[in-house]
This record gives sequence, structure tokens and C-alpha cells, in this order.
Amino acid sequence: DIQMTQSPSSLSASVGDRVTITCRASQSISSYLNWYQQKQGKAPKLLIYAASSLQSGVPSRFSGSGSGTDFTLTISSLQPEDFATYYCQQSYSTLYTFGQGTKLEIK
Amino acid sequence: EVQLLESGGGLVQPGGSLRLSCAASGFTFSSSAMNWVRQAPGKGLEWVSAISAGGGTTYYADSLKGQFTISRDNSKNTLYLQMNSLRAEDTAVYYCAKVSSGIYRPPIDYWGQGTLVTVSS
Repeated sequence: DIQMTQSPSSLSASVGDRVTITCRASQSISSYLNWYQQKQGKAPKLLIYAASSLQSGVPSRFSGSGSGTDFTLTISSLQPEDFATYYCQQSYSTLYTFGQGTKLEIK
Repeated sequence: EVQLLESGGGLVQPGGSLRLSCAASGFTFSSSAMNWVRQAPGKGLEWVSAISAGGGTTYYADSLKGQFTISRDNSKNTLYLQMNSLRAEDTAVYYCAKVSSGIYRPPIDYWGQGTLVTVSS
């Protein structure tokens, strides 16, 4: 299986900050990397697919980059509603795998 | 509007079985591959299984192969997950999830609200 490793596991930041979350794959996955946001008690929501494509309806302050094994999710200016847990996921293999998550908390 | 409504969760004893269902609406179910993803309490997301649009091809996480069976009934717009030999470690919220259409190696674009499975004596 392809292993996905996110860093950091948790992050404290303030409204207005620029934040970057990293995801690394155990082998090359080309650009088949997706990012999800999950709020407490809710289902995940797709933010970014194919490494850098913004899902319809997602604010433009979210962006993604990377290819091969290293990827990043950037939030350009944190808003109060962005405090949540973020997961990366590879869809290169039909056996999908997720990163362990990054919990973004208010400083 | 895409809707995925899971049912069938509950309390089951270790070694027992349970069948989850997911009723789909708002999209062409028979054209969409589907997945199950689970989340243990306080833990991250774990992909469980996938099934092709026609139901002829199935995939499982290595740790679950032989224990769970995914299936679908396209005439009823319903996805299933048969879970056998359940253990405490299978306690989780189970999400039904639809993959995006028209994208190669697609992401999951819609999720159900989840159904809680608790394995305990």
C-alpha cells in the first residue's frame, strides 16, 4: 500500500495567518493527491483534487501544489471557519490511503 | 442534490456480523464507483473498500480482506457493506462515499453523514 505522511500533526495559528500543511507519499503518485477538510462531528469535504485543482465552491484562499511524492496545502489567510482537521489522500492506487490528519487550532 | 444516507449501524458483540446500507440519490448511481471509509473514535480516516460502477470489480484494504464484502444494487440505488467477524477495532463511524465522475483516478466528492458501528460485549 502507498503510505501517506502529513506534517505537522497539529498546528496553532491565528486568524489572518498563512498556513502550510505538507503531505508526503511513500512512492510517486504523480498528481493524484486530494485534500479534505473535516470539522468536528461532520463528514469530510473535498477541497483540492489532482494536487492543485480547486473543488467547486471552495474559497480561493485554499491552494495546493506538488507532484511525485511531496505536496502542500496552503491557506493564504486563515478565517475562523477554517479551524478543522485536514487530510490528504492519494487516488493513484485504487486502494486509496489517507494521511493521518493535521488538526488546525486557534492560537 | 447528491444525497447518501447510511443505515444499519449499531451495537454488535465481538464475532458478530452487521450489514450497512447506503441509499443514494441525486446522481446516476449506476455510473459511479463507490467507497466505504471509516473513522474510529478520535482517529483519522481509513479507506475500507471500493466497488466499480457496475459492481463487477471490488477492492479492499489489505487488513480487511476476507472480513468485509462490498456490493451494490443499481436497481435500488443502494450500496452495501457486509461486515463479519467483527472486533473491537472495527468500532468506527462508517461513511458511504461517491467518487467524482469524469476525472481520471478521481477523488471522493460526496460523503454520507456516517453510521456508527460499536463492537462491544
